[in-house]
Amino acid sequence: SQQGEEDPQALSIQEGENATMNCSYKTSINNLQWYRQNSGRGLVHLILIRSNEREKHSGRLRVTLDTSKKSSSLLITASRAADTASYFCATDAWIQGAQKLVFGQGTRLTINP
Amino acid sequence: EAGVTQFPSHSVIEKGQTVTLRCDPISGHDNLYWYRRVMGKEIKFLLHFVKESKQDESGMPNNRFLAERTGGTYSTLKVQPAELEDSGVYFCASSQDFRRGRNTGELFFGEGSRLTVL
Repeated sequence: SQQGEEDPQALSIQEGENATMNCSYKTSINNLQWYRQNSGRGLVHLILIRSNEREKHSGRLRVTLDTSKKSSSLLITASRAADTASYFCATDAWIQGAQKLVFGQGTRLTINP
Repeated sequence: EAGVTQFPSHSVIEKGQTVTLRCDPISGHDNLYWYRRVMGKEIKFLLHFVKESKQDESGMPNNRFLAERTGGTYSTLKVQPAELEDSGVYFCASSQDFRRGRNTGELFFGEGSRLTVL
């Protein structure tokens, strides 16, 4: 089973609308990070939220973290065509005695002009 | 400042052949990671170097995979012999951390090496 699982797997919205993606995880974490991958490119770090934080903003991005529910959400406001990409959450946690960053399957976001 | 660079960007080989992927991390980054994404599935951890030492190689699929980081600079990941299920995108990432063996911050990723095994 995966540490991080994104929901939905795919999301298609109109430009200008808000996009919300969710992530659930299983173990205690040090922090949770969101990354973006444009088609055929590498992953780009978007935002990091620590386990003692509940909400964080960066430009049009808003991330929430609920450690009691082991879940996080990424909100992109006023979406643009350039936001089309895959978004991954990654949990920084101790897994089998080692600290590592564990990714989920990602959410494929499509912004329609 | 140069980012993480990976070579080749795409490699097509036949089953049974050998492929070596290379990663040059950001200069000064002690932590170097290899990840793999197969067929749209999750991005899976393979291993973690701290300088030249393998800190965690629990994600390496089997002994057909060999990773090295001689001198603590660039790293190579060799697959020998390659199998069909090895196809995917191999990502390298690096980070700078002041506490040996611990990653508590963001990773800087390369653009990946796409491997296709026919």
